[in-house]
Amino acid sequence: AQSVTQLGSHVSVSEGALVLLRCNYSSSVPPYLFWYVQYPNQGLQLLLKYTTGATLVKGINGFEAEFKKSETSFHLTKPSAHMSDAAEYFCAVSDPQEYGNKLVFGAGTILRVKS
Amino acid sequence: DTEVTQTPKHLVMGMTNKKSLKCEQHMGHRAMYWYKQKAKKPPELMFVYSYEKLSINESVPSRFSPECPNSSLLNLHLHALQPEDSALYLCASSQGGLAGGPSRNEQFFGPGTRLTVL
Repeated sequence: AQSVTQLGSHVSVSEGALVLLRCNYSSSVPPYLFWYVQYPNQGLQLLLKYTTGATLVKGINGFEAEFKKSETSFHLTKPSAHMSDAAEYFCAVSDPQEYGNKLVFGAGTILRVKS
Repeated sequence: DTEVTQTPKHLVMGMTNKKSLKCEQHMGHRAMYWYKQKAKKPPELMFVYSYEKLSINESVPSRFSPECPNSSLLNLHLHALQPEDSALYLCASSQGGLAGGPSRNEQFFGPGTRLTVL
């Protein structure tokens, strides 16, 4: 079975500061990994994904994440936070060998950006 | 068109009512999903349709009844719901079937329907 742990249910950064949201996964097979963002009362928007190949993945809105197999991590970073980045972020894992394309989500991290 | 639309945006219903949620996509995706998201929780998978056939039911109570009339449309019929069913119901779609592959795993989500059961 797969699982995702997001360290820190709330993260607060100043505008212009580095954003680091942590995600660790548990999987018996090389997983597919995703970061989604959810603004209040809205659906989820895909920020980036890792399937195979390059372990440093660049996404939308200046976000990137690095797949580190040895650390079973897929942390999300952005060099400079913007007020519009305030939202909830979900890390998700999928088993590429399992039928169903199921996503298992972490509990989420709410990012607050201070001016 | 790279959008998943959901109607209504908000729904309030009594425990004896029958209502339906609607989801539509025109991206040619052949897999469609229903998720339930309680407040301050991550989404939880309810149902998956692949090529208009129900492929996965995550042990959802029968008061929730999904339907996929065609490849672009997904409905969720609601009957005799309980107050604890109040949540944000999200629809998603993805390209291709459910057997996996790098491009097929990306799910596109709609904005959701906020359901309140009184």
